[in-house]
Amino acid sequence: SQKIEQNSEALNIQEGKTATLTCNYTNYSPAYLQWYRQDPGRGPVFLLLIRENEKEKRKERLKVTFDTTLKQSLFHITASQPADSATYLCALERRQAGTALIFGKGTTLSVSS
Amino acid sequence: DAGVTQSPTHLIKTRGQQVTLRCSPKSGHDTVSWYQQALGQGPQFIFQYYEEEERQRGNFPDRFSGHQFPNYSSELNVNALLLGDSALYLCASTQVARLEGDTQYFGPGTRLTVL
Repeated sequence: SQKIEQNSEALNIQEGKTATLTCNYTNYSPAYLQWYRQDPGRGPVFLLLIRENEKEKRKERLKVTFDTTLKQSLFHITASQPADSATYLCALERRQAGTALIFGKGTTLSVSS
Repeated sequence: DAGVTQSPTHLIKTRGQQVTLRCSPKSGHDTVSWYQQALGQGPQFIFQYYEEEERQRGNFPDRFSGHQFPNYSSELNVNALLLGDSALYLCASTQVARLEGDTQYFGPGTRLTVL
């Protein structure tokens, strides 16, 4: 069966360090992979999208990599700040536009000052 | 420009009752999806509406039904509520004709508690 795993439920790092979150999937061939941020009691907010033929995407302090051979995406936040503390969700989308997103459970990041 | 809005914010029901949740999509969006998010879990896809019809459905029982109106707003109905239906219900909108991936814009959610 299709499976998406975000390798840790919680990640604690110090301010200024780089946070690296992992998303692994099996039995799936996504056309796109997306990362969302979710604060407690709020809806997810879109951060970055990467296509299957892209290796890396950057946006300000955020970087996403996508390895379709390893079936893995890494999400990096450089120079992390306490305001980056939130749950980060990985989501996969199949090839056809307009299809549902399949989400992982999320990784809760805590950045301490 | 208003984003996705949902009502009500919170709702408390008892087992066996029925509930209706409402969603207005972001301006310019024509597709609405509903997700259920249990505590500590990622959102799970319930169904998606486009042109007032259900386009896709996730692995949810028939107790979950929906509707999309001509103005693209949508309702989620859940009948015969169970304790396990307690969750945050998220509405997300997008434009089906987008060339980019199907980035979803989420509303703040409705917190449903079933007692």
